[in-house]
Amino acid sequence: ETGVTQTPRHLVMGMTNKKSLKCEQHLGHNAMYWYKQSAKKPLELMFVYNFKEQTENNSVPSRFSPECPNSSHLFLHLHTLQPEDSALYLCASSQEGTGGLDTQYFGPGTRLTVL
Amino acid sequence: AQSVTQLDSQVPVFEEAPVELRCNYSSSVSVYLFWYVQYPNQGLQLLLKYLSGSTLVKGINGFEAEFNKSQTSFHLRKPSVHISDTAEYFCAVSGGSQGNLIFGKGTKLSVKP
Repeated sequence: ETGVTQTPRHLVMGMTNKKSLKCEQHLGHNAMYWYKQSAKKPLELMFVYNFKEQTENNSVPSRFSPECPNSSHLFLHLHTLQPEDSALYLCASSQEGTGGLDTQYFGPGTRLTVL
Repeated sequence: AQSVTQLDSQVPVFEEAPVELRCNYSSSVSVYLFWYVQYPNQGLQLLLKYLSGSTLVKGINGFEAEFNKSQTSFHLRKPSVHISDTAEYFCAVSGGSQGNLIFGKGTKLSVKP
């Protein structure tokens, strides 16, 4: 399998549930990103990991907890979410975490609905 | 701080017509500019990027964009669109190696037969 994959593609959860989103990249990249895409809003960068170290946390609420066990895998652990957290969550990777200089490759996203 | 404004949220156009999607940015430092495309039910894909050099940048699928520093613009153009170009297009700016991508709200291009 090539590129960036995300599972699940769709997730419905209640506000008291705990779930995790998974991202895997098969490109040999060293940087991985989580973005939130909401309707009528720009893509919001949430977290950046560079060589497994978190280098950016864009003031994201603690109910979102990222985990990067190695350069190929990235998780987003979710707990006690709010309905306004419903969105498309996109994972991306790039060769290195040099911000915009590196082309970012995106996965198809997880469509999250919080009831 | 950098920001990106995409002036049109939706652009309907007929097949084989030319199209221009507008993007303006603001930045206090040198910028790097990008256009990404998102097809339905897919992630974003890089169309083209301007880092330096020629201000006219050619990308995939026949798209091109021109960096205009004086007008702080980076408009995307295609001389003749196809039905398959129907997608959402995002302009993004970065301040370089220390800056992350800042995206605009996107423009939905709808190509009609």
